[in-house]
Amino acid sequence: GQSLEQPSEVTAVEGAIVQINCTYQTSGFYGLSWYQQHDGGAPTFLSYNALDGLEETGRFSSFLSRSDSYGYLLLQELQMKDSASYFCAGPPGGGNKLTFGTGTQLKVEL
Amino acid sequence: DADVTQTPRNRITKTGKRIMLECSQTKGHDRMYWYRQDPGLGLRLIYYSFDVKDINKGEISDGYSVSRQAQAKFSLSLESAIPNQTALYFCATSDGSTGEKLFFGSGTQLSVL
Repeated sequence: GQSLEQPSEVTAVEGAIVQINCTYQTSGFYGLSWYQQHDGGAPTFLSYNALDGLEETGRFSSFLSRSDSYGYLLLQELQMKDSASYFCAGPPGGGNKLTFGTGTQLKVEL
Repeated sequence: DADVTQTPRNRITKTGKRIMLECSQTKGHDRMYWYRQDPGLGLRLIYYSFDVKDINKGEISDGYSVSRQAQAKFSLSLESAIPNQTALYFCATSDGSTGEKLFFGSGTQLSVL
């Protein structure tokens, strides 16, 4: 089986930088994705790391270390609109059906 | 118009009733999925289909069935609804590219009384 673990909640102030971690336990792991979900909304794709290292997309960056079974999402210059839940997700054994972590609720405060 | 459309948006039903949630997509994707979301439990996969003749169980398929009527349509049925099936249900599609980027519908909030 596969499990992905995230902190349940993170709070940060507007303008700050926040890191949301994801650790996973699986065999044959093939990359890590991140999704954002606002309250009452649908999850939307943010990023995907197939290889180790950092991927940057604007204010958001995502990192993967396959040797450490660990990844994170980094959000810079936080804005109030970044308040949402963030999910890491991964495919087991190359089967290409995503399993999601339990999600991290990010609260951005003034 | 939305690329992935779910109907209904909200549904209240009673224990024992059979209900169907529908999903249609205009993205031309072969892969379609049904997920369930409960508070604190993230998204859990119910069923998925990689093409019209392909149906696969996910991690929580008991009590559910699906039908892939066409490439664009994938419906989820609850044969005899029970209260612990109260949840937010999402349909999603993908083109199967690396990373399995999913496109989600707006969700159906189901309440079973």
